[in-house]
Amino acid sequence: GEDVEQSLFLSVREGDSSVINCTYTDSSSTYLYWYKQEPGAGLQLLTYIFSNMDMKQDQRLTVLLNKKDKHLSLRIADTQTGDSAIYFCADTDKLIFGTGTRLQVFP
Amino acid sequence: SQTIHQWPATLVQPVGSPLSLECTVEGTSNPNLYWYRQAAGRGLQLLFYSVGIGQISSEVPQNLSASRPQDRQFILSSKKLLLSDSGFYLCAWSENPGNTIYFGEGSWLTVV
Repeated sequence: GEDVEQSLFLSVREGDSSVINCTYTDSSSTYLYWYKQEPGAGLQLLTYIFSNMDMKQDQRLTVLLNKKDKHLSLRIADTQTGDSAIYFCADTDKLIFGTGTRLQVFP
Repeated sequence: SQTIHQWPATLVQPVGSPLSLECTVEGTSNPNLYWYRQAAGRGLQLLFYSVGIGQISSEVPQNLSASRPQDRQFILSSKKLLLSDSGFYLCAWSENPGNTIYFGEGSWLTVV
C-alpha cells in the first residue's frame, strides 16, 4: 500500500541549515505537506507544495519535490533552537503521515 | 476562523475501564473529521475518519470506536481499555479529502 518514510533523527548546530527528507510511494497526490510537532502538542502546518511544483520557498523554509524519485525535502535555513521539534511529511490525499523526523538543534 | 478543541488533555485510566475523548470543530460546516494515534516514538496512525454525521470509517481493527453524533463533534470511545491503548490521540479536520488537515492539541492517554 501507500507509504511515506522519513529518517528518525537529525542533529544540527545552531545557525546551520537542516535538511529533512521524505520518500513516498504514491505519485498521484495533489499536495504534499510538512507539519511541525513541538513536545506534547498537536501538529502545526508548516508548509505544503503542489504536486506540479519543484520548489517552494517560504522565509527560512524551502521545500523541494522530485516527482521522478518520489522524494520530498524540507530545508530550514539558519536553524534555531526553537526549530527543535518533530517534523512530519504528509500525503493528505491518502491521509498518510510519515514516521516523523526529530530535529535537535544544539548551540 | 476555524478552531478545533479536544479534551481531556491528559487521562490516566485503569485497564478495563471505559474511555471517551471528545472533539469539536467551530467555524466550519460538514468538515471531514479524523482520529489519529501517535504511539511513543512512532508516527501517526489513522484510526477513524468521518465525512458526515453517522458516517465512520475504521482504518484498523482495534479496541476503539468512534461516533459523530453532530456535524462538528467527533468522539473516540472504548468499552474496556487495554494497556496497548496508551498513546497520544489527535483529533483533526479538513474541508475536503486532500486539503490541509488541522489538528487539535492532543490527548495523552495512559492506561495503567
